[in-house]
Amino acid sequence: QKEVEQNSGPLSVPEGAIASLNCTYSDRGSQSFFWYRQYSGKSPELIMSIYSNGDKEDGRFTAQLNKASQYVSLLIRDSQPSDSATYLCAVNSLIYTGTASKLTFGTGTRLQVTL
Amino acid sequence: DTAVSQTPKYLVTQMGNDKSIKCEQNLGHDTMYWYKQDSKKFLKIMFSYNNKELIINETVPNRFSPKSPDKAHLNLHINSLELGDSAVYFCASSHSRAGGQPQHFGDGTRLSIL
Repeated sequence: QKEVEQNSGPLSVPEGAIASLNCTYSDRGSQSFFWYRQYSGKSPELIMSIYSNGDKEDGRFTAQLNKASQYVSLLIRDSQPSDSATYLCAVNSLIYTGTASKLTFGTGTRLQVTL
Repeated sequence: DTAVSQTPKYLVTQMGNDKSIKCEQNLGHDTMYWYKQDSKKFLKIMFSYNNKELIINETVPNRFSPKSPDKAHLNLHINSLELGDSAVYFCASSHSRAGGQPQHFGDGTRLSIL
């Protein structure tokens, strides 16, 4: 069973539209959630973090968290061609020793913003 | 200025060889990580060190041995390279081992085994 699940896409949206990216996770004890953007051939870049239920906005990006449903989403408003990338959902959870935590990544959703 | 830097960027070598990848961070972070991203782009943690102490050791073949000489450096040595080791290896760092700390990634080392 995958611990963090994302639709692999590609998700294709026209320029100027809202892109909606979704992620579900299995560990109910997870407390921290992150969205990373990865351009082809590049490293993951942190774009959003969210820790409590509800919405968190940063510019054109809004992260949404619903811990009861174990669901995280990322909305990108006014999508631009430069937003075309793979978006990785990452969930932080304690390791079995309880002495540290680790990020578990989803497989990513490839977003294509078309002109 | 680079926050997390890895060397080399590319590594092409033959099966059976031994190779090392180096990572350095200048962010003053306490915790560093090694990740492997396979051909399907799945990013999976391998190891984590906190202030030179190994704190995460996932199910990784013991041909892989990390070493942290100080909290700003984390190296990865791989013995007897196999075809399946071909991947991109990312180093990352975070402020501390506590949950909720965002991780910052290096540019990656693309390892290709011939």
